Amino acid sequence: EDQVTQSPEALRLQEGESSSLNCSYTVSGLRGLFWYRQDPGKGPEFLFTLYSAGEEKEKERLKATLTKKESFLHITAPKPEDSATYLCAVQALRVGRFKTIFGAGTRLFVKA
Amino acid sequence: DGGITQSPKYLFRKEGQNVTLSCEQNLNHDAMYWYRQDPGQGLRLIYYSQIVNDFQKGDIAEGYSVSREKKESFPLTVTSAQKNPTAFYLCASSPDTGHFPYEQYFGPGTRLTVT
Repeated sequence: EDQVTQSPEALRLQEGESSSLNCSYTVSGLRGLFWYRQDPGKGPEFLFTLYSAGEEKEKERLKATLTKKESFLHITAPKPEDSATYLCAVQALRVGRFKTIFGAGTRLFVKA
Repeated sequence: DGGITQSPKYLFRKEGQNVTLSCEQNLNHDAMYWYRQDPGQGLRLIYYSQIVNDFQKGDIAEGYSVSREKKESFPLTVTSAQKNPTAFYLCASSPDTGHFPYEQYFGPGTRLTVT
């Protein structure tokens, strides 16, 4: 069964304390992995797409990496404005279309 | 500015009433989606449409209906048959779903409360 698991469920950091969020998946035929940021009461905002193992993408304090079984979202020297829920999603080709499976997310709290 | 709009932001209904959520996009995307988000769960796909006048059921379509008469619009009706309709509803769009794994772009969401 296709599954996406994100850990931890919640993460509390002090400002400047770097850490990583994990997204592990059991999906056959992975075609793409996506990271989104979601603020409370709002729609998810697209951050990164990763297509193959070994690929890395960076944006400001965020860096996403991908292996054959999991992806990490590294947050370097986070600021309070980085507080949000981070969602991971994988896409696999299924019967003529790309099926997207979302994880439940990691809620990040960054304290000043 | 290109984007996706959803209306209303908050919606309150009594049990037994049907309600329609609006979703409009001006990104010229072919594919549109409706998701439901509940606390502690990943987004779950209700319906999707890859082209005008065509749509497919997602994982949790029971109690919901959609239409796709225009490329820009993909309204969702929550019927009285939906047993637990209170949730946060998200509309999304992407360029295509059949040839390349594009990311999806989301609207701001509609929070539906049914009492």
